[in-house]
Amino acid sequence: ETGVTQTPRHLVMGMTNKKSLKCEQHLGHNAMYWYKQSAKKPLELMFVYSLEERVENNSVPSRFSPECPNSSHLFLHLHTLQPEDSALYLCASSQEIGSGRNYEQYFGPGTRLTVT
Amino acid sequence: AQKVTQAQTEISVVEKEDVTLDCVYETRDTTYYLFWYKQPPSGELVFLIRRNSFDEQNEISGRYSWNFQKSTSSFNFTITASQVVDSAVYFCALSEATGANSKLTFGKGITLSVRP
Repeated sequence: ETGVTQTPRHLVMGMTNKKSLKCEQHLGHNAMYWYKQSAKKPLELMFVYSLEERVENNSVPSRFSPECPNSSHLFLHLHTLQPEDSALYLCASSQEIGSGRNYEQYFGPGTRLTVT
Repeated sequence: AQKVTQAQTEISVVEKEDVTLDCVYETRDTTYYLFWYKQPPSGELVFLIRRNSFDEQNEISGRYSWNFQKSTSSFNFTITASQVVDSAVYFCALSEATGANSKLTFGKGITLSVRP
């Protein structure tokens, strides 16, 4: 596998379900990100992890819970979601952050989430 | 606060035409980075270019070229001799170097359709 992978690619869940999205990067990066992409809205940054520590939590509701067990893996745990949470969830990774060099982020293919 | 404006929402051209996608940004920082990403129907954002604020040289990569004008806070993207495979949503993004998390602020995207 190369680049950034995400599973599952599609997910349909009820409002009472609990599910998790998985992201894995094979680029040797040490920063990982979760974004939400809804129809007609710009990409919204949700969480940023650097060296497995969360450095950004962008006012995201607690029904979204991230986990970064190591620099290659990132999870987004979902519980009691709302229909408005239906969106494309994109994971990304990049080289070091906080250095002022702001390297480009490489994105996975996303998980298309539908909450019924 | 940083902001990216992509005033064009949808552009449709015929194959082999040249097309320019506009991007205007706002930032208070003197050091910042600008990016373009392509999002084909598959959903994955593909990194195209990263430019820092001190490098105003225009860049050409095959049929792609970028025009960075600091005086007008613009970073426009031109596709020469467009092809059907160029059909995608194109995002311009800005990242301030002083941030601790390399946060990307995206524009709303421009949907480009290239007809045969």
